[in-house]
Amino acid sequence: DTEVTQTPKHLVMGMTNKKSLKCEQHMGHRAMYWYKQKAKKPPELMFVYSYEKLSINESVPSRFSPECPNSSLLNLHLHALQPEDSALYLCASSQSAGASDEQYFGPGTRLTVT
Amino acid sequence: AQSVAQPEDQVNVAEGNPLTVKCTYSVSGNPYLFWYVQYPNRGLQFLLKYITGDNLVKGSYGFEAEFNKSQTSFHLKKPSALVSDSALYFCAVSGLSGGSYIPTFGRGTSLIVHP
Repeated sequence: DTEVTQTPKHLVMGMTNKKSLKCEQHMGHRAMYWYKQKAKKPPELMFVYSYEKLSINESVPSRFSPECPNSSLLNLHLHALQPEDSALYLCASSQSAGASDEQYFGPGTRLTVT
Repeated sequence: AQSVAQPEDQVNVAEGNPLTVKCTYSVSGNPYLFWYVQYPNRGLQFLLKYITGDNLVKGSYGFEAEFNKSQTSFHLKKPSALVSDSALYFCAVSGLSGGSYIPTFGRGTSLIVHP
């Protein structure tokens, strides 16, 4: 099974709401990633978890809060977002965070902030 | 720091013709190079990678890529394009950051295959 699942597929939220994005993989991968992607642009890395520990936070605003409850799950908690945060949020996983490890991406959550 | 350049925003090709999507890279040390494809409203899909060894790498859906060290290039190719190959293609190079290797993506090339 080479599938990464993400829920929900679409999310519309107001600037005062709190919501969470969820990601799951059952490939035994030990590295998981959150990306933000604007239309027709490359993904921008937000966070990297390696062996369930946060290893990279790419200067992401504190209104985004990641959580890795176990090796298969990754959450992204959202609070007080801005309209410019509207984007496709992609989760990915890889065997480890090694140089030769390809990433497997989920289908993404399309987020609209109103 | 590593970087990747995809010089073409868009590539147009007729169905049945060969296609090439270009990528050049800059990295200190050994390059670890990847190609991903993204169909509309989907996540990225891994196509192929170069680690070491044979300069011609074969991947999914009939795609292949040629690694050229002297030209620091890693062009994606397919002998006969299909309309269904129309998508956004990203080249990436792996680099070390904060104890983990992460990909640096090119800006992407939109491939349009005309019937």
